[in-house]
Formats: sequence, C-alpha cells, structure tokens
Amino acid sequence: QVTLRESGPALVKPTQTLTLTCTFSGFSLSTSGMCVSWIRQPPGKALEWLARIDWDDDKYYSTSLKTRLTISKDTSKNQVVLTMTNMDPVDTATYYCARMPAVASPGYFDYWGQGTLVTVSS
Amino acid sequence: DIQMTQSPSTLSASVGDRVTITCRASQSISSWLAWYQQKPGKAPKLLIYKASSLESGVPSRFSGSGSGTEFTLTISSLQPDDFATYYCQQYNSWWTFGQGTKVEIK
Repeated sequence: QVTLRESGPALVKPTQTLTLTCTFSGFSLSTSGMCVSWIRQPPGKALEWLARIDWDDDKYYSTSLKTRLTISKDTSKNQVVLTMTNMDPVDTATYYCARMPAVASPGYFDYWGQGTLVTVSS
Repeated sequence: DIQMTQSPSTLSASVGDRVTITCRASQSISSWLAWYQQKPGKAPKLLIYKASSLESGVPSRFSGSGSGTEFTLTISSLQPDDFATYYCQQYNSWWTFGQGTKVEIK
C-alpha cells in the first residue's frame, strides 16, 4: 500500500525559508525509475508543479521558482525534503508530494499525499 | 513552457448526463496527458494516463481520447460521486496542469 504524507509548518513569515518533508511508504526511491515531485495549489486555484527528484538523485525545478527551491531525499528514511526560500504571501498554498511511477515514460502522478496548507503572513 | 487550456471552466450537468471536458495544449504533446479528479479539501486522484489508459480501480464510465494538441475526458453517465473539479496535465515537456473544470449539479 503506497502512502505519502507531507509535514511542515502551517504558518511562515514573509522572507522566511519553508522546509517541507514528504514521508512515504509502500515503495522505495532507490527503485530504478521511481520519482517524487512536489506540487502546490493556492486556495481556489490550479495545480502548479514545483520540483522532482529521481531514484538516481537527478533533480528538476520549476523554471520560475528554481532559484528558491531545493529538493533532496533520504532513501534510508523514505523521505523527500523541499525547501523554498524567501517566502511571500503569494506562496500561500496547499503543498502536495506525489509519486511518479517507475514506468517507461514517467510523468504522471499516481499517488498523492493529503497535502499541507502553508500560510505566509506576518 | 507548454500551456494547457481546459474548457469549459464550469459545467452544469445532471446525474445520468454524458459529460465531455476538453483540454488543449499550446504545442503537440503526443499522448503524454493525464486527467485527475479533485474534490474539495482532497488531493487529486489519477483517472487517466497516456491520454486514454484508465488507471486501475477507476470506473469504466471515465474515458480519455486525443493526441497531439487536443484531448477530451468523457464521463458516459454522470454519477453523484463525480461532481468535482477535473484537471488535465501534460508530461511531454516538464509538467504543467490545466486550470481545471468544475462539474456542478444542474
């Protein structure tokens, strides 16, 4: 049974750095082809892909946010961590982590965490 | 970046109706398209991948079609559990989502 769960602060102040952790079970990020991404959704708005990390430690970032994002993994703990610097109120959103299955052309998200709402406010 | 445009933004329908949602890509994405269903306060749920492949466990009333730049999600007979927001997502070049289509009760 595949599960993912996001954790982190519910409230951050402007200019602070956000650190989110995705803890997963039911699969291993050391499995060839497996990937995990972070996606966010501002209240009432659409989904936005942020970052991806692969089984072989390749990393990909949203072009518009790449200077502010860092993604990393701890395979032994089954965790993926996302940091976002210089937080702004427009970054208020529900942040999801999601698995991308180990298939020939990975790119869709078959399992999602329940999401964690992060509010940026002073 | 590839832009994904869904239509309509909102759709009013009744139980039993046949419903079609369209997703257009700003450039060809072959068949690298997925569809998700999202209910309020919940994470998106994968319905369709590779434009027309039904995810395991998803009811057969959901179907997807298209290739290149134009795609459709069809619900053959709308059920009460299907009132939700639907998103398309391309994965031909990076990963981008459409703006969503809300299916509401008529």
